[in-house]
Amino acid sequence: NSKVIQTPRYLVKGQGQKAKMRCIPEKGHPVVFWYQQNKNNEFKFLINFQNQEVLQQIDMTEKRFSAECPSNSPCSLEIQSSEAGDSALYLCASRTGWDNQAPLFGEGTRLSVL
Amino acid sequence: GDQVEQSPSALSLHEGTGSALRCNFTTTMRAVQWFRKNSRGSLINLFYLASGTKENGRLKSAFDSKERYSTLHIRDAQLEDSGTYFCAALDRGSALGRLHFGAGTQLIVIP
Repeated sequence: NSKVIQTPRYLVKGQGQKAKMRCIPEKGHPVVFWYQQNKNNEFKFLINFQNQEVLQQIDMTEKRFSAECPSNSPCSLEIQSSEAGDSALYLCASRTGWDNQAPLFGEGTRLSVL
Repeated sequence: GDQVEQSPSALSLHEGTGSALRCNFTTTMRAVQWFRKNSRGSLINLFYLASGTKENGRLKSAFDSKERYSTLHIRDAQLEDSGTYFCAALDRGSALGRLHFGAGTQLIVIP
């Protein structure tokens, strides 16, 4: 059973709509990542956090997404205006930050933009 | 990803046989993780190694940071091993462990 909880499991939006997904990281994991996996199985790093602070994000995320990891609340990733090309599996992962410990992945949110 | 080259892209095995998947890295990585994608599209963690080898049942993985590669060996393949396998590696230069993924290996086990 995954210890990183992602909701919703599936999300269907129209173009131009907002699309929000959430992630509860494993307890005690201060580092959270979001990745996008497209239909060709290609992974794209989107953003990562340490506690509530953004460490790195790609251009696309900065321009089109809103993301946060507030204390005592789930992390969230929201596309402000969905496009067809955003249809993908969005994966959240958390880790301790120590190299000898594996990141844990959630089951993902599958977004379909119609 | 451009830092991880995974091969082969596709592999067919007869039940009971074995083979190896490989990931070559263009730079020195800190650790490697191997996954299998299940029928629901979720990533199932198989191994995580910062060095050396690990074994679990019919699967065995090795990671050589200096030589810049990792392998996943499957022996006595079973039908349920069919699926897509990914490696992902931690870049030495990245902040707190951003993973670079391989393109995946689609494994089909034939009766």
